[in-house]
Amino acid sequence: EAQVTQNPRYLITVTGKKLTVTCSQNMNHEYMSWYRQDPGLGLRQIYYSMNVEVTDKGDVPEGYKVSRKEKRNFPLILESPSPNQTSLYFCASSRREGGSYEQYFGPGTRLTVT
Amino acid sequence: QKEVEQDPGPLSVPEGAIVSLNCTYSNSAFQYFMWYRQYSRKGPELLMYTYSSGNKEDGRFTAQVDKSSKYISLFIRDSQPSDSATYLCAMSAGDTGRRALTFGSGTRLQVQP
Repeated sequence: EAQVTQNPRYLITVTGKKLTVTCSQNMNHEYMSWYRQDPGLGLRQIYYSMNVEVTDKGDVPEGYKVSRKEKRNFPLILESPSPNQTSLYFCASSRREGGSYEQYFGPGTRLTVT
Repeated sequence: QKEVEQDPGPLSVPEGAIVSLNCTYSNSAFQYFMWYRQYSRKGPELLMYTYSSGNKEDGRFTAQVDKSSKYISLFIRDSQPSDSATYLCAMSAGDTGRRALTFGSGTRLQVQP
């Protein structure tokens, strides 16, 4: 089954404790992206990756890091989480060729930082 | 002003009704338009994808894009309780690099049996 998976699905942590949210896709997509979803603000892009070892900032990159060492994986790293990073996070992937902009989303990770 | 405006709802309709969901936008560079459906505690699921202006139909769903008015719509015919979800419009200017989607904040739809 073609899918995007994220782990963990739920996470409660404390300010300053480094954490990583994993994302993996099995569709051989070149493009992957992270979004956060907040009430009234919709989904906003954090970081994206066009291919292995190619990453760049989205609209709200502050406080986040990413890496793309393998095509299928795109982890999101919070080096020193703060309460304003409490949110619902989604990983997404899509093909690159043919101008396709259809992005496929994972199930989400609900993060609470106290 | 947000780039994409979407009425948050909730919109409550009886089963079998025709539902109209809408978004307006301000960026004339948007060329790709999408509708996503998001069930509670799930990720957004792509419903419809349209390039530029015009209509697209898929089963009970019809997407319309009017670029001259900067207005897009999603129509759901013969609505079912299983259609109860939040519907997000999304659009892109066609930047093949970043591929950022600009989302509306979503409209919550409830279809009453």
